[in-house]
Amino acid sequence: DQQVKQNSPSLSVQEGRISILNCDYTNSMFDYFLWYKKYPAEGPTFLISISSIKDKNEDGRFTVFLNKSAKHLSLHIVPSQPGDSAVYFCAAWMSSGNTPLVFGKGTRLSVIA
Amino acid sequence: DAGVIQSPRHEVTEMGQEVTLRCKLISGHNSLFWYRQTMMRGLELLIYFNNNVPIDDSGMPEDRFSAKMPNASFSTLKIQPSEPRDSAVYFCASSGAQGLGYTFGSGTRLTVV
Repeated sequence: DQQVKQNSPSLSVQEGRISILNCDYTNSMFDYFLWYKKYPAEGPTFLISISSIKDKNEDGRFTVFLNKSAKHLSLHIVPSQPGDSAVYFCAAWMSSGNTPLVFGKGTRLSVIA
Repeated sequence: DAGVIQSPRHEVTEMGQEVTLRCKLISGHNSLFWYRQTMMRGLELLIYFNNNVPIDDSGMPEDRFSAKMPNASFSTLKIQPSEPRDSAVYFCASSGAQGLGYTFGSGTRLTVV
């Protein structure tokens, strides 16, 4: 039973365009969400996060949107660059449960020059 | 600080052999997580420790898997006997607080033939 779902295994976008990566979750107790980025032969690294009290968080070219009623979040990358090509993992956390992060399966983004 | 250090980076072993994966935490971090990455399941949590104590090992696939944390800075994940379906990339991560601030190692790519 997957609590965090990334339904698109892969996404291909042209350089300069917007990349939108989606993530759905099932547990309404999650109150903090994170995106991690993973390059080949490296471990995942933290990219951006959002608390459930917000609906948007922006950091440079990266913006995360949260729709709590739909239990959905998305990561927007604008403009996309070839160096953004990586696997992106969505993760969720329950601050009250004192439990580890729960990760989705990941989405492989390819930005084509 | 050199970050989370995993060894070996690659391991190729024959079915039935014992495999030991190693992880050195970041100094001062008190939580340790072992994850396994596969195409089918993405990043799945195997076991995690707080202050050297195993908290939840429900993700460990079988009794063939065991993990220890003999001190605050070091952990091992052992598979005995190994099977081809254990082939995956194994990551450890540490954090100073359970939900946030995860730092991942570069992973160990295990191939069981």
